[in-house]
Amino acid sequence: GQQLNQSPQSMFIQEGEDVSMNCTSSSIFNTWLWYKQDPGEGPVLLIALYKAGELTSNGRLTAQFGITRKDSFLNISASIPSDVGIYFCAGRSVTQGGSEKLVFGKGTKLTVNP
Amino acid sequence: DGGITQSPKYLFRKEGQNVTLSCEQNLNHDAMYWYRQDPGQGLRLIYYSQIVNDFQKGDIAEGYSVSREKKESFPLTVTSAQKNPTAFYLCASTKTGLNTEAFFGQGTRLTVV
Repeated sequence: GQQLNQSPQSMFIQEGEDVSMNCTSSSIFNTWLWYKQDPGEGPVLLIALYKAGELTSNGRLTAQFGITRKDSFLNISASIPSDVGIYFCAGRSVTQGGSEKLVFGKGTKLTVNP
Repeated sequence: DGGITQSPKYLFRKEGQNVTLSCEQNLNHDAMYWYRQDPGQGLRLIYYSQIVNDFQKGDIAEGYSVSREKKESFPLTVTSAQKNPTAFYLCASTKTGLNTEAFFGQGTRLTVV
């Protein structure tokens, strides 16, 4: 199946630092989604991106839909301890048969040291 | 409140038994998905359904079965043919079409002993 390359796999940062993670693919997507997952819970949607080049913010989070439609990044500014978790990117695409799929990256595990 | 609900949150089964995981949504979403998550791993697609009475295999469908008799419900059965069923299972739903988001349930942790 389609794969998203998400990096880095893990990050260890100090509280207050900024964070950046990204996803790339060999395929084109028409929607990029970013999620955060806490241990033992389902992923929660943080930001949705619908247009190539779109830059969207949600509080301290900023995400961009790459101009080629094959990549996206997520930035977190001034990190706080509750930012700890696993962040996933997801791309939505349309298959040859016209059906739609959600494809996920493998996640970035973020640890914030107080 | 609208949402997507998975039940139960924790499930224990003996090896060789089939088990069915529930996923219900009242968001009027057309498409529903099942993913499997193993420790330290990403989400792998098991099955998805875009309309009632229709579903497609994902990347790891072997040993699993689904049904979509109602728009609101997309149960997943983990059969005895699944070699390594212990995992965290996540259900998601979306509207079809462009410019829509996917929402997840809280997950079911299945442990087979």
